[in-house]
Amino acid sequence: SAVISQKPSRDICQRGTSLTIQCQVDSQVTMMFWYRQQPGQSLTLIATANQGSEATYESGFVIDKFPISRPNLTFSTLTVSNMSPEDSSIYLCSVVGQFYGYTFGSGTRLTVV
Amino acid sequence: AQKITQTQPGMFVQEKEAVTLDCTYDTSDQSYGLFWYKQPSSGEMIFLIYQGSYDEQNATEGRYSLNFQKARKSANLVISASQLGDSAMYFCAMRERFRSGAGSYQLTFGKGTKLSVIP
Repeated sequence: SAVISQKPSRDICQRGTSLTIQCQVDSQVTMMFWYRQQPGQSLTLIATANQGSEATYESGFVIDKFPISRPNLTFSTLTVSNMSPEDSSIYLCSVVGQFYGYTFGSGTRLTVV
Repeated sequence: AQKITQTQPGMFVQEKEAVTLDCTYDTSDQSYGLFWYKQPSSGEMIFLIYQGSYDEQNATEGRYSLNFQKARKSANLVISASQLGDSAMYFCAMRERFRSGAGSYQLTFGKGTKLSVIP
């Protein structure tokens, strides 16, 4: 299975600022996925990122708030823009892994103050 | 309606004992996959075990086994000989086959069960 390096592992940010989360995969993958996990909740898919095309966003998520970059087949970034305390969550990137399930990055724990 | 239901928000188990975490699912597909993931307090999601809908035998991976009852649409995770390091959130998830594009790989997650192992 692919190994994903996700950075930063955690951050505390001021409201109104933006944070960019990076994911580097050790092999080429067609699709990368970004998830949000709010405190005490399950995972919610934000968007699917394909190389060379715009990301596909799930209902309730918009590009202006969560712009995604996918410059090549091993790298992607998610930016959380104009942050508010409600954006405090764990953000996870993932790729298709074993048995067509997911392999996840180690997660970014974001706190907005 | 929820596609994945985990009815136990929290569970306690004595160290070295076995514990069963419940998961029921809802799908009309004949071909689907069921997964269990572990999430420690650090936040990472760790793949534990997989069961395909056509697999006749229950999946096992070390101390983890999946009690798959297809007619009842349940896929319970059994952890044998619990260890302190097993304390974490556990998520059941399902992948359904008949979706197009990126949807083909989308997993639906349950709300999770928090397992606490008592020394």
